[in-house]
Amino acid sequence: AQSVTQLDSQVPVFEEAPVELRCNYSSSVSVYLFWYVQYPNQGLQLLLKYLSGSTLVKGINGFEAEFNKSQTSFHLRKPSVHISDTAEYFCAVSEIRSNYQLIWGAGTKLIIKP
Amino acid sequence: DSGVTQTPKHLITATGQRVTLRCSPRSGDLSVYWYQQSLDQGLQFLIQYYNGEERAKGNILERFSAQQFPDLHSELNLSSLELGDSALYFCASSPVQGGIGVGSPLHFGNGTRLTVT
Repeated sequence: AQSVTQLDSQVPVFEEAPVELRCNYSSSVSVYLFWYVQYPNQGLQLLLKYLSGSTLVKGINGFEAEFNKSQTSFHLRKPSVHISDTAEYFCAVSEIRSNYQLIWGAGTKLIIKP
Repeated sequence: DSGVTQTPKHLITATGQRVTLRCSPRSGDLSVYWYQQSLDQGLQFLIQYYNGEERAKGNILERFSAQQFPDLHSELNLSSLELGDSALYFCASSPVQGGIGVGSPLHFGNGTRLTVT
């Protein structure tokens, strides 16, 4: 069965430092990949998505992610985080075998230390 | 603002009771999805409707049911509530039928926080 693994449940990082949130998925077919962000007391919103083409995808708020097919990964990065980036980040995958239903990772809480 | 409206924002009820959660999708979106988010289970997909018809089922308990009405709003009914049903319930909408389709994102409401005592 398809699965999405977010290796870190929490990532603490100092303000203005770079951050990488890791996401690995299990699939042998073509996939669509997404990162969603959930700010405190809010619903999820799309951060960025990979459908095809360039493996480096840029999203909102200065985030970017790189699709690595050989390593089945889609890690999220930001070169300099701000206190406003405090949120939970979810990686999700969809593919034709699941009728494109999203398979979600468990989420990673990004904790920004002042 | 995602354009998806969920009511109520908070709901406190007792075990054994029944509640109804309501969702109005973003204007023009035909698909509605229901998710449950809890600390121990994370984000769980419950069910999807498209233009009034059930399209996909996830980890939805038999005590739970949903429907989508002709005006496209949706309701999630939870009955015989148990303490473990306490969670944040999200509704999301998208314009397409088949899951995400070609890159169409889900738009989430702010959720209904259900507390069962």
